[in-house]
Amino acid sequence: KQEVTQIPAALSVPEGENLVLNCSFTDSAIYNLQWFRQDPGKGLTSLLLIQSSQREQTSGRLNASLDKSSGRSTLYIAASQPGDSATYLCAVTQGGSEKLVFGKGTKLTVNP
Amino acid sequence: GAVVSQHPSRVICKSGTSVKIECRSLDFQATTMFWYRQFPKQSLMLMATSNEGSKATYEQGVEKDKFLINHASLTLSTLTVTSAHPEDSSFYICSARVSLNGYGYTFGSGTRLTVV
Repeated sequence: KQEVTQIPAALSVPEGENLVLNCSFTDSAIYNLQWFRQDPGKGLTSLLLIQSSQREQTSGRLNASLDKSSGRSTLYIAASQPGDSATYLCAVTQGGSEKLVFGKGTKLTVNP
Repeated sequence: GAVVSQHPSRVICKSGTSVKIECRSLDFQATTMFWYRQFPKQSLMLMATSNEGSKATYEQGVEKDKFLINHASLTLSTLTVTSAHPEDSSFYICSARVSLNGYGYTFGSGTRLTVV
């Protein structure tokens, strides 16, 4: 059974700092991995999608990497801003399944 | 592109009544939609997979008679919470898998249900 773990559970940083959020998964037979952000009381916003054959994806200040063989992904946020404060969720789609398996998220607070 | 519209965003209902939540895919066809429930400070829990034109598939422990799912068209799936009780109060979110963006998932904005 696939399990997704996110570390740390919470992170507080000063504005402007670069930071890394970690995600690990137990079964490397994934179809793809997706990073989302969730603001309080809101739905999920997709940030980056990495296919199993890819190593990384970039969007603006965000960069996500994937090392499928070791079961790890990282989300790098450059020059963090208070508006980046949210919960970040990592989720994988297992090969042969349409179901997403989520981590419990990392709650990020960027202090002005 | 690939937007899922979910309504209502908030609903308060009396105990014993039923509430319907709608999810529409606005610019794509969704043969499959997924319904999640989220408790405070917890991650999403998959409740059921909704398939257009057929019966939904429920996850273990989810009462199919309480959470009725209908997926009558390629752009609309509904979740009806029947005979709601305070313990059904939660945040419900739908999602769809989008082939055009590499089979990633797009989510609705969620519905906060409060049963009083």
